[in-house]
Amino acid sequence: AQTVTQSQPEMSVQEAETVTLSCTYDTSESDYYLFWYKQPPSRQMILVIRQEAYKQQNATENRFSVNFQKAAKSFSLKISDSQLGDAAMYFCAYRRDDSNYQLIWGAGTKLIIKP
Amino acid sequence: SQTIHQWPATLVQPVGSPLSLECTVEGTSNPNLYWYRQAAGRGLQLLFYSVGIGQISSEVPQNLSASRPQDRQFILSSKKLLLSDSGFYLCAWRELGTKETQYFGPGTRLLVL
Repeated sequence: AQTVTQSQPEMSVQEAETVTLSCTYDTSESDYYLFWYKQPPSRQMILVIRQEAYKQQNATENRFSVNFQKAAKSFSLKISDSQLGDAAMYFCAYRRDDSNYQLIWGAGTKLIIKP
Repeated sequence: SQTIHQWPATLVQPVGSPLSLECTVEGTSNPNLYWYRQAAGRGLQLLFYSVGIGQISSEVPQNLSASRPQDRQFILSSKKLLLSDSGFYLCAWRELGTKETQYFGPGTRLLVL
């Protein structure tokens, strides 16, 4: 069965600096999708970035980028120029290419931004 | 553009009372719809998903049920709430037939006393 592991329960970073959140997953599939979601104190789940496993190029969305290492089954999120509004829980999630529904979620990492 | 609504935003209910949470989506047709529960400080647990009107699949046996009476409406219900039903309930949608991302509603905080 697929699993997603986020080994950092909490991370902190100084405002304007860069932080990397780690995520590893276990799967025997070759085609799948990986996601990072952000959950601020309002608790609404917001998509940050998405990566298709068949794409070698790492996804980027403004200050957010991923380091996708397919062989190592690693999917880390880098946040550059951290801002106070980035403070939130960050969840990594996995979905099989042929699945209608099944998102497998990590336990989350709480990101604290220090002013 | 598509939007997803959930209500109520917050609900406090006594043990043994019924429950009805509603989720509606605007700006899309035939979406896949999902109900998730999130316990405090934890990840998401998929409860139900639906690929069409009247089509519900359950992921976790429990005293909750779901219904989809209309294309863009998804309802989570219970006849008798348990203390363990407390949590944060999130509804999500995905465009049917695509491989696009799931997008989430604002959620409902449920406290069962």
